[in-house]
This record gives sequence, C-alpha cells and structure tokens, in this order.
Amino acid sequence: DQQVKQNSPSLSVQEGRISILNCDYTNSMFDYFLWYKKYPAEGPTFLISISSIKDKNEDGRFTVFLNKSAKHLSLHIVPSQPGDSAVYFCAASADAGGTSYGKLTFGQGTILTVHP
Amino acid sequence: NAGVMQNPRHLVRRRGQEARLRCSPMKGHSHVYWYRQLPEEGLKFMVYLQKENIIDESGMPKERFSAEFPKEGPSILRIQQVVRGDSAAYFCASSPTSPGTEQFFGPGTRLTVL
Repeated sequence: DQQVKQNSPSLSVQEGRISILNCDYTNSMFDYFLWYKKYPAEGPTFLISISSIKDKNEDGRFTVFLNKSAKHLSLHIVPSQPGDSAVYFCAASADAGGTSYGKLTFGQGTILTVHP
Repeated sequence: NAGVMQNPRHLVRRRGQEARLRCSPMKGHSHVYWYRQLPEEGLKFMVYLQKENIIDESGMPKERFSAEFPKEGPSILRIQQVVRGDSAAYFCASSPTSPGTEQFFGPGTRLTVL
C-alpha cells in the first residue's frame, strides 16, 4: 500500500534549466508535506515543506506546489545546478488529529542528475 | 551544535546474530524516529520514541525488533536473530519538542546480514 508515490525513478536536466519532480499521494488525511534531498551514504536533508492550507511555498531556488484536489505535489528547482544531483524524496504526515506523532510516509525517490 | 549521530555506520552480522544500532539525537531534541530503507525503496517508519517511552511502534515488525530511548544515553534499535531480509539502511531522525515539524536525519547505519 504505497500511500506516497514518485512515479519517475530518474530525471535528467541541463544545468540552468528547470527541474520538476512530482509526487502523488492517496491518503486524504495527509496535511503536511516535505521534500528531502539525499546523497549516497548520507541521511536525508530537509529541503522545503508545505502545509495543506497553502498551495505554494518558495525558498530561494526551490518552490513546492500543492494541488489538494489532485492529491499531487511538485518540487521546482530553478535554475538547476550540478550540485543538485541527488535523490529527492517527498514525504507526508497526517497531524491534524494529533495521533500520527509526526511520522513520515516517504515516496520511493527520484534520482535527479543535472548535467553541466 | 552536532547533528544526529548514528553508529556504527556499517554493521555486518551473520544470520542468527544480534544487531544493535545506536542513535544520539541533536542536543535539545527529545523526539526520536527510526526508519528503514530497503534497497530500491523509500524510507519506511518503524518507531517513534520519547525519553523512556515508546509512543508509536506501528511500523516495527512484531518479532525480533525492539527499540528504547533511555533517560541517559542514545536510542537503541535492537534486532535479534537477524535474517538476510533485515539487510537495509536504518536511519534515525530527531525533532525538537513538537512532533510533526521537520525531522533531522542521521547518516544511517547500513546493516548487511551474511
């Protein structure tokens, strides 16, 4: 039962162009969404998050969009840089009821490669 | 302020042995989460602990796995009688006093069962 799905295992982008990573979810109780970046042999590093009361959140080159009706979120990276090459995970939590204790449900990850 | 520390980084065990994975949260963080990442998959929640209390262990296998977060010292994830299917990367994350906020992850322990 994959409640958070990242259907693209990999994405290749030219330096300076936009990278768009997508994520779909099925659990309507999710109300907080996060993107993590992960390098090999390291733990995930928090990038950006969005609450379900918003539809967009921006932080520098990173913007996350949330479409609640479609149960879809995306991460835009503009402009993409070679140092952005990593695995990107989207994650979700359901805390409105106060019973999930912040545990995160992760997608399978998308490998982003940014070519110079 | 040191980040989340995990040790060992790599652990090799033979089938039937015990594995102990340690996690020291960031200073001031009292919430610890353990996740497991199997090959080619995303991270999956295992257990959530506060000091001396297991709050949510809904992701833990029913047998052979246990976790603790004592008053003093690191959090421990213990796997008894390991099997090959336990081979995975185990990540610990900590968060400050409010659960649900962003979690800070350690570098992980890669367990290999021969």
